[in-house]
Amino acid sequence: EVQLVQSGAEVKKPGESLKISCKGSGYNFTFYWIAWVRQMPGKGLEWMGIIYPGDSDTRYSPSFQGQVTISADKSITTAYLQWSSLKASDTAMYYCARRHSDGYYFDYWGQGTLVTVSS
Amino acid sequence: QTVVTQEPSFSVSPGGTVTLTCGLSSGSVSTSYYPTWYQQTPGQAPRTLIYSTNTRSSGVPDRFSGSILGNKAALTITGAQADDESYYYCVLYMGSGFQVFGGGTKLTVL
Repeated sequence: EVQLVQSGAEVKKPGESLKISCKGSGYNFTFYWIAWVRQMPGKGLEWMGIIYPGDSDTRYSPSFQGQVTISADKSITTAYLQWSSLKASDTAMYYCARRHSDGYYFDYWGQGTLVTVSS
Repeated sequence: QTVVTQEPSFSVSPGGTVTLTCGLSSGSVSTSYYPTWYQQTPGQAPRTLIYSTNTRSSGVPDRFSGSILGNKAALTITGAQADDESYYYCVLYMGSGFQVFGGGTKLTVL
């Protein structure tokens, strides 16, 4: 069974760093792109970026380029989303999702990680 | 930056038919954008309904269908049911591995 299991909720202060994770199982993690999607409170979905764990090829939305870093460790089948200096506006639910092998759509989603940034 | 447009809200009567659309702030949507539709209920992760314009994801009822209508992608729900009340998001492929979500449509069934 394919699963994407994300790390737990985080409460951070502005300026702090954070790295959240998304562990894939039940499939060959190396060969599927993993994306990150943001959903701010009461708002819609935003495509942040995507990584191919096989070679760490990473693509970012222009809106998120330079704001976050996406990485992956295929040895432990885990993808990451990290911030070096959080802002209150980073408060959101973050989902990871697997892109299907032969289409530009997500076939499996993580359960989401809620990040709250507040002083 | 290209904006993907969706109706903010829509309502449909139970048993009725509704078509939600997904356009571009500049230009026309074609199959080359691989339109995908997701359904999301509050507090849940999104669920894939339609991908590559008109292919239903596994387990999706056939009352959901996708198409290109004019210069937009479209999601049609035929015979709407109460549990179709949800948010619907389209996403378009912009090339170079990059995709953009629309703002979402809140569908009310009443």
